Amino acid sequence: DTEVTQTPKHLVMGMTNKKSLKCEQHMGHRAMYWYKQKAKKPPELMFVYSYEKLSINESVPSRFSPECPNSSLLNLHLHALQPEDSALYLCASSQDAYGYTFGSGTRLTVV
Amino acid sequence: RKEVEQDPGPFNVPEGATVAFNCTYSNSASQSFFWYRQDCRKEPKLLMSVYSSGNEDGRFTAQLNRASQYISLLIRDSKLSDSATYLCVVNGVTGGGNKLTFGTGTQLKVEL
Repeated sequence: DTEVTQTPKHLVMGMTNKKSLKCEQHMGHRAMYWYKQKAKKPPELMFVYSYEKLSINESVPSRFSPECPNSSLLNLHLHALQPEDSALYLCASSQDAYGYTFGSGTRLTVV
Repeated sequence: RKEVEQDPGPFNVPEGATVAFNCTYSNSASQSFFWYRQDCRKEPKLLMSVYSSGNEDGRFTAQLNRASQYISLLIRDSKLSDSATYLCVVNGVTGGGNKLTFGTGTQLKVEL
């Protein structure tokens, strides 16, 4: 299995909703990442988990809350989002500095 | 100065043309380098890693110049299917682990 699977593929949520994005990989990668990509912009790093511990938080607002339940799963909990948070949220995993794999992303719309 | 800089394009080229993309990066401690391809509304996909010795994969050739902090991608005999955004990506190792930084991307449109 050489894939990173993200669910859901599309999500529409209201500003008062709580939702979660999920990411799963079975490649034995020890690092997992959340990126945010706005239209016509490059992906921007949000969080890095290394060996199931949060190692990088790029000053992301607290309405985004990551969680790594085990080495194969990465969640992103969303609460009280704003319309400007609408974007493509990408999960990635890597074993080392060369082997990155991206999921197909969750396209989030906040209304 | 941005960490990774690219010409945003778009580059509009005829089918069969040769096109070159350039990228510069600011962190001299960066450890690994990549070109990714991203189609509209899709995730980025690895096109190739980039090494100082230069590497080639079919019609694609990538080159890294560490002294100049410069990365290039050459596409020969362009196909319509090469139309996409090409992202220059640099990996730095921080105290928290690996961190990919993306350039803004260069849009390529190959036309008949």
